[in-house]
Amino acid sequence: KQEVTQIPAALSVPEGENLVLNCSFTDSAIYNLQWFRQDPGKGLTSLLLIQSSQREQTSGRLNASLDKSSGRSTLYIAASQPGDSATYLCAVPLGGSEKLVFGKGTKLTVNP
Amino acid sequence: EAGVAQSPRYKIIEKRQSVAFWCNPISGHATLYWYQQILGQGPKLLIQFQNNGVVDDSQLPKDRFSAERLKGVDSTLKIQPAKLEDSAVYLCASSLGQGVRETQYFGPGTRLLVL
Repeated sequence: KQEVTQIPAALSVPEGENLVLNCSFTDSAIYNLQWFRQDPGKGLTSLLLIQSSQREQTSGRLNASLDKSSGRSTLYIAASQPGDSATYLCAVPLGGSEKLVFGKGTKLTVNP
Repeated sequence: EAGVAQSPRYKIIEKRQSVAFWCNPISGHATLYWYQQILGQGPKLLIQFQNNGVVDDSQLPKDRFSAERLKGVDSTLKIQPAKLEDSAVYLCASSLGQGVRETQYFGPGTRLLVL
């Protein structure tokens, strides 16, 4: 059974700080790992998808890394801004299916 | 390109009442998903459709929840009768096809409060 854990559950940082969000999964036989952003009252927006053969993906100020063997992924946000305030979720497919297993998320607050 | 549409956005009902949610996926997307997200948790898949057929409904509480996707486009999710523990955000997502590499696009969700 695949379980996804995200630490910390909440994080508050001052604007401009670099930060790291953590995600761990119990079954390392994953096809990919995805990071989502969720704003209050809104759905999920996909930020980055890392295939199992990749070690990292970058999009602007975001960098996601994947270490399958240790069952871990990190999302690095550089030079954080108040607009980055949201809940960040990671998810992996269950087995070879499209069924996503999500972590509980990390609620990020960036203070001006 | 229009995104996934859901309605209503909010719903408040009393326990034992029934409620229905509607989802319109992105045009051309064959696969549609309904997720339940309880406060403080990650989304949990309830049911997956491929066109108008059910692919996975293993986590759908079938004694009270039902879903359909007539004509392989729009979908409705119904709860009858509702319980307090059904209070959650119900998210609809769609993807172009099936497969682990397909990107799922999420709608804004319907927030349900059962009193």
